[in-house]
Amino acid sequence: DTEVTQTPKHLVMGMTNKKSLKCEQHMGHRAMYWYKQKAKKPPELMFVYSYEKLSINESVPSRFSPECPNSSLLNLHLHALQPEDSALYLCASSSSGSGSRETQYFGPGTRLLVL
Amino acid sequence: GQQVMQIPQYQHVQEGEDFTTYCNSSTTLSNIQWYKQRPGGHPVFLIQLVKSGEVKKQKRLTFQFGEAKKNSSLHITATQTTDVGTYFCAGPGDRANAGNMLTFGGGTRLMVKP
Repeated sequence: DTEVTQTPKHLVMGMTNKKSLKCEQHMGHRAMYWYKQKAKKPPELMFVYSYEKLSINESVPSRFSPECPNSSLLNLHLHALQPEDSALYLCASSSSGSGSRETQYFGPGTRLLVL
Repeated sequence: GQQVMQIPQYQHVQEGEDFTTYCNSSTTLSNIQWYKQRPGGHPVFLIQLVKSGEVKKQKRLTFQFGEAKKNSSLHITATQTTDVGTYFCAGPGDRANAGNMLTFGGGTRLMVKP
């Protein structure tokens, strides 16, 4: 099973809402990633978890709060977002996150619209 | 910091024509990966190149890694409508202890006219 699942597929939220994005993988991977992708742009790395510890935060605003409850799950908590945060949010996983040659497996993404 | 540039940004081809996208890095890369993203889809890993001058083929797709390991190309022979999508190259991040950070090129969007 090389699948990464994400829920919800689509999300519309107001600027005062609190919502969460969820990501799950059952490949035994120990590294998980959150990316943000705007239309016609490449994915931009937001966070990396390796062995359930946050290893990289790419200077992401605090209105985005990641959480890794266990090695299979990754959440992204959203609060007080801005319209410019509307994007496709992609989750990915790789085997350990410790090597530069690992393949990353991407989930289908959550399309977020902030009104 | 490391930059990965990709050209062209867009390419329209007639079905059956060939297509090439080029990727250039400002620094030497230990490896380069290629991903394909279909319209409305997510990036899907295609291949990884590691060795200087390496050439790999997947059916109609040919991937090359430059001798200096600073550039790479993806060539598709006789495009089909199923090849439509955006092709991204990605190099490893340039930060120490950065794990498996990927630096994506800007992508080349391929459109194929049937």
